[in-house]
Amino acid sequence: GAGVSQSPSNKVTEKGKDVELRCDPISGHTALYWYRQSLGQGLEFLIYFQGNSAPDKSGLPSDRFSAERTGGSVSTLTIQRTQQEDSAVYLCASSKGTSGGSTDTQYFGPGTRLTVL
Amino acid sequence: RKEVEQDPGPFNVPEGATVAFNCTYSNSASQSFFWYRQDCRKEPKLLMSVYSSGNEDGRFTAQLNRASQYISLLIRDSKLSDSATYLCVVTLNFGNEKLTFGTGTRLTIIP
Repeated sequence: GAGVSQSPSNKVTEKGKDVELRCDPISGHTALYWYRQSLGQGLEFLIYFQGNSAPDKSGLPSDRFSAERTGGSVSTLTIQRTQQEDSAVYLCASSKGTSGGSTDTQYFGPGTRLTVL
Repeated sequence: RKEVEQDPGPFNVPEGATVAFNCTYSNSASQSFFWYRQDCRKEPKLLMSVYSSGNEDGRFTAQLNRASQYISLLIRDSKLSDSATYLCVVTLNFGNEKLTFGTGTRLTIIP
């Protein structure tokens, strides 16, 4: 079946511009996560959506970052007034969203490589 | 101190050899533990979960020591296709929560 898809695969923008990154999770997955991976750094959690619950935004680095998930499916990560330090690969993952002690595997999309000039 | 620490390597290992990676985590409340594999310029993919009793999947064996907050991955009879970055991952809940990643250990298998 189809995996997690992300678009665009690459995005080059100028400092100060806004960008939108899109994620299509695996059909039926209720949990969706955004991470970013900077050069030489580990993956860093950004935000997590689970069903209709309020998202966990604890990983967003500044108020220039926001994300929404419409209809419990597609998610958009928006970065306003981009800075050079925002350059990274932005990865989306989804999972079934099971609970109660069972392991829930997260499946990652191919990522969007963002370059801020 | 980082939440999850790994030796970044690189590990350059001849084909057929056995190689072991270690990882330590700082939060004793961590519940779930995983090893992910990431190929160059690709997304991470789950290699295996790690259980307290230890688990094995073919040539791969994972161990967890909660007392020492230590996770290991052993690869036996290494193949060229094992070349990748191996990411140690922990979470506070049973996978249904944000993953905290180590920076990864880079492995290159030499023919």
